[in-house]
Amino acid sequence: DAKTTQPPSMDCAEGRAANLPCNHSTISGNEYVYWYRQIHSQGPQYIIHGLKNNETNEMASLIITEDRKSSTLILPHATLRDTAVYYCIVRVPNNAGNMLTFGGGTRLMVKP
Amino acid sequence: GAGVSQSPSNKVTEKGKDVELRCDPISGHTALYWYRQSLGQGLEFLIYFQGNSAPDKSGLPSDRFSAERTGGSVSTLTIQRTQQEDSAVYLCASSLRSQPGLYNSPLHFGNGTRLTVT
Repeated sequence: DAKTTQPPSMDCAEGRAANLPCNHSTISGNEYVYWYRQIHSQGPQYIIHGLKNNETNEMASLIITEDRKSSTLILPHATLRDTAVYYCIVRVPNNAGNMLTFGGGTRLMVKP
Repeated sequence: GAGVSQSPSNKVTEKGKDVELRCDPISGHTALYWYRQSLGQGLEFLIYFQGNSAPDKSGLPSDRFSAERTGGSVSTLTIQRTQQEDSAVYLCASSLRSQPGLYNSPLHFGNGTRLTVT
C-alpha cells in the first residue's frame, strides 16, 4: 500500500473550518483514499473515502488533487467533539486483508 | 442499527492465563477484521475473515494467537499463555463486500477490548 504522510498535530478554533492535509505521492491508480478518526478510548470511526472526485457527506468533505498525490479532509464547522486523531489511508480495493495500515495520523485539537 | 460490539470492554489477566475476546459484527457484514493497538501506537493488523474463505492470518504475532468465526458472524480471538507484551486494545471491525472482487467498503470498528496482562 502507498504510504501517507500527515502533520502530527493541528489546532483549530471552534466553529472554524478544519483542513487536514495528507500526502500520498506514491498512490497508484486503483487505490482509494480513506479518512478515519479516533477519539480517545474509542475505536476508529469511518469519515469519508474517494478515488478521484471530491466527495462530501454529513461529516466532512474530501478534496483530492487532480494528480491524486495529496488530499485534504475538511470539517466545515469544527466543534470540540471533533478533537481526535485523524488518519489518512490509501487502500487497494482488491487487497482484502491487511490493507488498512494506520500511520501516525494528525492529532486535531479544537479549541474554544 | 447496532454497530460492532466487543466484549468484555476491559480484561485484566495474569501472565500465563488464556483469554478469549468476543466480537459481534454488524449484521450482514461478510468481512471481519481484528487489529490491536498498543498505547499511543497505530493499529496492527492481526487476522481477516471474508465469508467462507480461509482467513488471512498473516498478522498474528505468534502461535499463541488464534481466532475463529462461527456461522459467518460472531468471532472469538483467543490468546493462550498471555504475556505482558500482549497488553493492548484489541479492536474488531466489519465491512460489507460491496462488489465481487472489490473491497472498497469502509470498515466499522467496535470500541475494543482493553487487555492488561499483569
